[in-house]
Amino acid sequence: EVQLLESGGRLVQPGGSLRLSCVASGFTFNNYAMNWVRQAPGKGLEWVSEISGGGGTTNYADSVKGRFTISRDNPKNTVYLQMSGLRAEDTAVYYCAKDDRHFPTDGFMDVWGRGTTVIVSS
Amino acid sequence: QSVLTQPPSVSGAPGQRVTISCTGSSSNIGARFDVHWYQQLPGTAPKLLIYGNNNRPSGVPDRFSGSKSGTSASLAITGLQAEDEADYYCQSYDSSLGLSGYVFGTGTKVTVL
Repeated sequence: EVQLLESGGRLVQPGGSLRLSCVASGFTFNNYAMNWVRQAPGKGLEWVSEISGGGGTTNYADSVKGRFTISRDNPKNTVYLQMSGLRAEDTAVYYCAKDDRHFPTDGFMDVWGRGTTVIVSS
Repeated sequence: QSVLTQPPSVSGAPGQRVTISCTGSSSNIGARFDVHWYQQLPGTAPKLLIYGNNNRPSGVPDRFSGSKSGTSASLAITGLQAEDEADYYCQSYDSSLGLSGYVFGTGTKVTVL
């Protein structure tokens, strides 16, 4: 069974840092790009970042560019989101989502994790 | 900031047909990038509903269908059922100056009367 399991979300103060993790199982991890998507309380989905299957290509939404870094460890079947300079508006459920292709362009997200909650507040 | 616009809500009685529009621009849907749809039941993660404009993953009922034309796309639900009450999001890819990546629609809440 294809599964994604996120972890690492917690309460953090404004300006703080946090690293989210997503462990994948049930598919050949390095064959697929991976994404992070977030959803603020009561709001819609917002794509955050993507990384190619080999890890050599990354892309970010303008709202997080320069503050968040996506990476992956293929032998560990894990994708990470390192978040720094956190703001109240980063408060959201963060979902890890598998892309349908190796290189993230014109694709879709066919498997989603259950999400991990990040709250940025003093 | 969403670049794909959807109506905030649509509603219908059981058995009826409802449609959800998704309006983009020349840098996303109009640039021939595919449109995909997700269903999010209350309190759960999104689930892929339609991919590649009009394809259903295994297990998705054929009551759900998608279409695309020009800079817009639509999701249709025929024979509306109580279990279809959820939020629906369209998604595409955007490639314009200063922005390149996935984009989601604003989301539409479907209510079954």
